[in-house]
Amino acid sequence: DTGVSQDPRHKITKRGQNVTFRCDPISEHNRLYWYRQTLGQGPEFLTYFQNEAQLEKSRLLSDRFSAERPKGSFSTLEIQRTEQGDSAMYLCASSRSLGDGYTFGSGTRLTVV
Amino acid sequence: DQQVKQNSPSLSVQEGRISILNCDYTNSMFDYFLWYKKYPAEGPTFLISISSIKDKNEDGRFTVFLNKSAKHLSLHIVPSQPGDSAVYFCAASAGYSGGGADGLTFGKGTHLIIQP
Repeated sequence: DTGVSQDPRHKITKRGQNVTFRCDPISEHNRLYWYRQTLGQGPEFLTYFQNEAQLEKSRLLSDRFSAERPKGSFSTLEIQRTEQGDSAMYLCASSRSLGDGYTFGSGTRLTVV
Repeated sequence: DQQVKQNSPSLSVQEGRISILNCDYTNSMFDYFLWYKKYPAEGPTFLISISSIKDKNEDGRFTVFLNKSAKHLSLHIVPSQPGDSAVYFCAASAGYSGGGADGLTFGKGTHLIIQP
């Protein structure tokens, strides 16, 4: 297992389009997280899954954002009707427990033009 | 409202010396603290953590100190090496004891530069 994989690495989209990102966590990790990072800021928490259940959502996750984790394995994050303010690095992380820290993927960089 | 603050955007340290990175927090519900290191174009990498029941945790060249009364933690790197040059993020969670949120709150990061 090579770690947390995110696809694509980069995405450029026009304002108003929908985009979907995929995250494949480390296989034995039952916890999966999505974060967003903009320039000069630390990562900001978006949402958290334990197995297939979405247990927590940040208020940053507007109704244009939706995340799923069918079967408790990979996860997708969809942004509908993208806006320029959605331009950011979207990071996925997984863990077995908080005490293990998280393992982050390399992120998907979204640019909305 | 920044609940986790890293007030030094950058820090320059000579190779072989001690690097001290500081972090302050405001939320008294935080009970677990982590440090991450980030290189450009990569995701953050977990370094070391500490729970609120401890005041020190050590792992090799890295030591984290927690002062709960001051709501302050610090990361010491001894000795500093060129490969330590990166952005370091402090993060906190209110979920370790099982009663709070599981997401992490990150600071804005400190760019550590190790000078040869």
